[in-house]
Amino acid sequence: GAVVSQHPSWVICKSGTSVKIECRSLDFQATTMFWYRQFPKQSLMLMATSNEGSKATYEQGVEKDKFLINHASLTLSTLTVTSAHPEDSSFYICSARDSRAADTQYFGPGTRLTVL
Amino acid sequence: GQQLNQSPQSMFIQEGEDVSMNCTSSSIFNTWLWYKQDPGEGPVLLIALYKAGELTSNGRLTAQFGITRKDSFLNISASIPSDVGIYFCAAFITGTASKLTFGTGTRLQVTL
Repeated sequence: GAVVSQHPSWVICKSGTSVKIECRSLDFQATTMFWYRQFPKQSLMLMATSNEGSKATYEQGVEKDKFLINHASLTLSTLTVTSAHPEDSSFYICSARDSRAADTQYFGPGTRLTVL
Repeated sequence: GQQLNQSPQSMFIQEGEDVSMNCTSSSIFNTWLWYKQDPGEGPVLLIALYKAGELTSNGRLTAQFGITRKDSFLNISASIPSDVGIYFCAAFITGTASKLTFGTGTRLQVTL
């Protein structure tokens, strides 16, 4: 299957700082990527849809000024958590849609964010 | 947001046993997916189903896309310790934004 990478795999930051997470599709081009958030023992919750060359589409209740998404190329989307607070601590996972495989989504390994 | 109804929530089985889990929806989807997630990792795609009634195998795993397009099941035969993890069903409608709707997950524990 297609390969998606995420960087970093984990990050610890102080409250008030900003953190950038990268998501890359390694062996295919993805015009659409997705960002999810997962709390312990829960399913994945979609935060936003990242579209190459255009603005991201955010799910209801997700602050677009808090979670900045940039999809500048067909293989890279970034999520920046601005002015992070402890309640932003979570597991963030991206996925990329592979149009070669009937739009099946392949997931990255996730990024564990801990805000102190 | 909407979630798929996945059952059972958790299972404790012995090595060698077969496992069955299912996923139902009140809405129709035209693609069903099954993922496995290990602790601290992202979900890994196990099986993708694109046609109602389709039965697909991947090694010891078999999944079917329900004929009504509102359900799917996953079977694991002869379970082994590395089958431990959380299994998620997911579904979407192609031709739209292809946003996934996820199941609530089935936590599988395998004892020796």
